[in-house]
Amino acid sequence: SQQGEEDPQALSIQEGENATMNCSYKTSINNLQWYRQNSGRGLVHLILIRSNEREKHSGRLRVTLDTSKKSSSLLITASRAADTASYFCATDAGETSGSRLTFGEGTQLTVNP
Amino acid sequence: DTEVTQTPKHLVMGMTNKKSLKCEQHMGHRAMYWYKQKAKKPPELMFVYSYEKLSINESVPSRFSPECPNSSLLNLHLHALQPEDSALYLCASSHWTDPNTGELFFGEGSRLTVL
Repeated sequence: SQQGEEDPQALSIQEGENATMNCSYKTSINNLQWYRQNSGRGLVHLILIRSNEREKHSGRLRVTLDTSKKSSSLLITASRAADTASYFCATDAGETSGSRLTFGEGTQLTVNP
Repeated sequence: DTEVTQTPKHLVMGMTNKKSLKCEQHMGHRAMYWYKQKAKKPPELMFVYSYEKLSINESVPSRFSPECPNSSLLNLHLHALQPEDSALYLCASSHWTDPNTGELFFGEGSRLTVL
């Protein structure tokens, strides 16, 4: 079963606006990661936040993590048309049986020029 | 540019064919993964190799057979597939930091169509 659920499923904004995507998960985690995927391409890692961290920044990206609510958000500031892509959160439950990332359903972001 | 190379980029095969997908990385990563992704869906984990040994098999049907001949290569052998197996197959690699999972580096994928 999918660990993460994301909302919204789709988001359409104008260039220059901020985009916020949310991710909820069900079990305890070691870390949570965000990935980006352009249509038909591979996934690109954006940012990793550990379970003992609350906020992390990378360029125009800001990620928050609330382990009490089992949720995370990804904020993209000053969006550009090139940010148009699908964004997935992925959780690492840290199972001793091995290294396993489980992806959420994703948010399709469209940034209109 | 991705540092994980997948071949072929596109593959069309009949249900009786045998084919293979190949993945190569030269980042010194000791964990390699196969994911399957259907259209408008998230990637689903199929297999994980750590130090060339299969560590996770997510109950994948035996018509999919993974192989890790060395630390840089990962293959997925396909035989007697079904049309519903048509999907984008993604290979990824990472440092092995069990039990944590670090950043995954993905290839561009192999688009498989089963007729």
